[in-house]
Amino acid sequence: DVKVTQSSRYLVKRTGEKVFLECVQDMDHENMFWYRQDPGLGLRLIYFSYDVKMKEKGDIPEGYSVSREKKERFSLILESASTNQTSMYLCASSLSSTSRRTDTQYFGPGTRLTVL
Amino acid sequence: DQQVKQNSPSLSVQEGRISILNCDYTNSMFDYFLWYKKYPAEGPTFLISISSIKDKNEDGRFTVFLNKSAKHLSLHIVPSQPGDSAVYFCAARYNFNKFYFGSGTKLNVKP
Repeated sequence: DVKVTQSSRYLVKRTGEKVFLECVQDMDHENMFWYRQDPGLGLRLIYFSYDVKMKEKGDIPEGYSVSREKKERFSLILESASTNQTSMYLCASSLSSTSRRTDTQYFGPGTRLTVL
Repeated sequence: DQQVKQNSPSLSVQEGRISILNCDYTNSMFDYFLWYKKYPAEGPTFLISISSIKDKNEDGRFTVFLNKSAKHLSLHIVPSQPGDSAVYFCAARYNFNKFYFGSGTKLNVKP
């Protein structure tokens, strides 16, 4: 079974703090994704990575950056947290970036971040 | 502007009956559609998918229908079971690795 783990289930930070959200997958997947989930808006893609050190912006990258130094780990960074970044953050991974078929995305349990 | 919409935030169905969850999309370039199921305190899990070249895909109690002309997708669950109670998200793929998700429909199956 694929396992995607996220470093924290709940996190409370103050405005202006630098925040790191960590995601680890154990199935040697090439693709990794960061989404945020907000009521009425569904899941929105922040960033994704199709290989180590490779990244692409999603639909809402402003205020975020990412890091993928190792294949199994994908970090989301909030450089200076703001209250409008209070949300549920979901990490996902999928198998291959070389095939054009759709690989199933496997999601972590999510991190609920509150910025005060 | 959301490209994938689920207009019903919630749905309540009696056990044994059919559940129909709907999804509409605006981008005709989407080429693959998926349904995910999410229980509280867990991440979404893949349920069923359909390619844009098909109009129906079945997997046990779950069937997904695609109407490309209407840009409409639906998920049928027959018969519905209490364990199906969850939030269901539809998603559409664009340009290989970009996925757009709907806002979710919370299904409650009453025993």
